[in-house]
Amino acid sequence: DGGITQSPKYLFRKEGQNVTLSCEQNLNHDAMYWYRQDPGQGLRLIYYSQIVNDFQKGDIAEGYSVSREKKESFPLTVTSAQKNPTAFYLCASSDGLAGVEVEQYFGPGTRLTVT
Amino acid sequence: DAKTTQPPSMDCAEGRAANLPCNHSTISGNEYVYWYRQIHSQGPQYIIHGLKNNETNEMASLIITEDRKSSTLILPHATLRDTAVYYCIVRAPGSARQLTFGSGTQLTVLP
Repeated sequence: DGGITQSPKYLFRKEGQNVTLSCEQNLNHDAMYWYRQDPGQGLRLIYYSQIVNDFQKGDIAEGYSVSREKKESFPLTVTSAQKNPTAFYLCASSDGLAGVEVEQYFGPGTRLTVT
Repeated sequence: DAKTTQPPSMDCAEGRAANLPCNHSTISGNEYVYWYRQIHSQGPQYIIHGLKNNETNEMASLIITEDRKSSTLILPHATLRDTAVYYCIVRAPGSARQLTFGSGTQLTVLP
């Protein structure tokens, strides 16, 4: 059963703590992405990775960090430097074939609440 | 990537066709039109995409005007489970390109 899994679905943390959100895919996709969604708004890109051991900043990378040590995994760390970390975080992946138009597949999301 | 404009909300009666419009007047020749939807508190789901020809799949139909400046997503027989935010996205082809999501259209299917 192929897909993208994110865990946990709900996460609560105290202000000042770093927290890592998990994203795993078994679709054999090269590219993976992290988006953030705030209430009533669209998605904004945090980081993306086109291949293992490589990643690029998106529009709102400040206060976040990622790693891509394995093709199937792309964890996101929300650091204490992120001013407003409470949000819905979505992970996605796509088949990174150059020049081919492909859709992105999304995980179920993690809702992070920082108090 | 071209910017898109969608109405913020629409209602549709259950069993009727839902027609969701999208304007993309600055679309370039190599940019595709994508539609995704997001049911509350879930990840977005890909629906359909097209370049200039009309497209149909098991979920929906996509009608793109001849000048490509607008398009319409059609859900032929809307059900209550189709209630979601629908996003129209325009972007050029290429691997690992991010999707730029706007605010979308909240479609509410009424019983």
